[in-house]
Formats: sequence, C-alpha cells, structure tokens
Amino acid sequence: EAGVAQSPRYKIIEKRQSVAFWCNPISGHATLYWYQQILGQGPKLLIQFQNNGVVDDSQLPKDRFSAERLKGVDSTLKIQPAKLEDSAVYLCASSPRDKNTEAFFGQGTRLTVV
Amino acid sequence: AQSVTQPDIHITVSEGASLELRCNYSYGATPYLFWYVQSPGQGLQLLLKYFSGDTLVQGIKGFEAEFKRSQSSFNLRKPSVHWSDAAEYFCAVGPLYSSASKIIFGSGTRLSIRP
Repeated sequence: EAGVAQSPRYKIIEKRQSVAFWCNPISGHATLYWYQQILGQGPKLLIQFQNNGVVDDSQLPKDRFSAERLKGVDSTLKIQPAKLEDSAVYLCASSPRDKNTEAFFGQGTRLTVV
Repeated sequence: AQSVTQPDIHITVSEGASLELRCNYSYGATPYLFWYVQSPGQGLQLLLKYFSGDTLVQGIKGFEAEFKRSQSSFNLRKPSVHWSDAAEYFCAVGPLYSSASKIIFGSGTRLSIRP
C-alpha cells in the first residue's frame, strides 16, 4: 500500500514570496491533516479535512495560509506571502476516519524562508 | 485545555541500557494515545497505540508503553536500546469517540545513544 506522498521535499524562498505544497493521502483515507513542525518542537495541527470539508482550521493563520482539498483526495497548502517564521517542516498525514485511529504521515516538506 | 507534556527534551543512554520516556496528557475527551518516532529528515512513524484493554501495550522495534489513568501518563519503555534507536520521540493523544477533538502532539524527546 502506498503511503502519504508529499512534494516538494525541500523548498527555499525569499520572504514575501508565495509557496505551495502538495499532498496525496493514502487511498481511501477520508481524513487529511496538515501539520507545521518548527525545529525543536512537536507537530502543530494547521488544518484538518474530512473528505473535502474543513473540520478544524483554528490554528491556521488565515491571513497568509490557505488549504484546499477539492475532490476529497489530494490537497494543497499555500503560503502567501511567506514570513521568516514560516520556516518549518510541513507534514501531511491521513487517516481512514476522524476518530479512533492513528494518523499516517508523509515525509514532509522542509521550507526555508530567507 | 488539551495538552501533551514530554518533560525531557533530550536524553542520552548507553547502548544496551534500558530506556523510559515520559509523557503526561490532559484531554477533554476519551483519549487514544500514541507514540511516534521521527528519524532525521523523515516523517513520523507509529510505534504503538492504546485506547483500551491491557494497560501495557507492545509496539514495534521492541518498544512498550504503560497507560496509567490515575497519573494521566503514557510512558514509553525499552529494555535494551540499540544505536539505531537514536531519534526524536513524540507522544500524541487523539479522539477516541468524539470527532470534535484533534490529534495533538507533545514537544518531543530527543534520544541519543552513547556507544
């Protein structure tokens, strides 16, 4: 079974530029998560989708971050404009449902904002 | 408030020695508890999970964890560590019955192995 796929693996941009990350979850998984992991910290949930609907985006900085999962399968996370403090690893995860299950993680995208 | 606390930022143990990583949680809903491991440049891999039954749960790579409800703890243990166990370890808690809650993570414990 294929795992969670993310691209790109690495990205370096200048502040105020925009960037987008892509995630393809495990086939059949209804729940998709985007986490931000700043160096030395644990993952912080940015947004959680159930199929193509948003379940939780309370910690998403909506003035600059946006995410979509239009067909309930793959998802994109966008940052516009980027700030230095957005430098982090962005992890995508999926699970078969929204409770009573663990999350399965991709390898992440390491973003460096200079 | 929902939170996961891992009080040890960095632990160093000798190869072959025993290991215990601490985790305490505060969670409004009935919790589903996890331990994940993250090697450098990699995503998170599930080591083990617990939500009911025997409070001592076995995982992959020889790890086990014990759930203590009275202490709101879910500590990870391994009888004898190997050099390949050097990594970052994250405790997490998620919703068991309520879809209104989310999976949250502790800040992690970095494990170093002394030859």
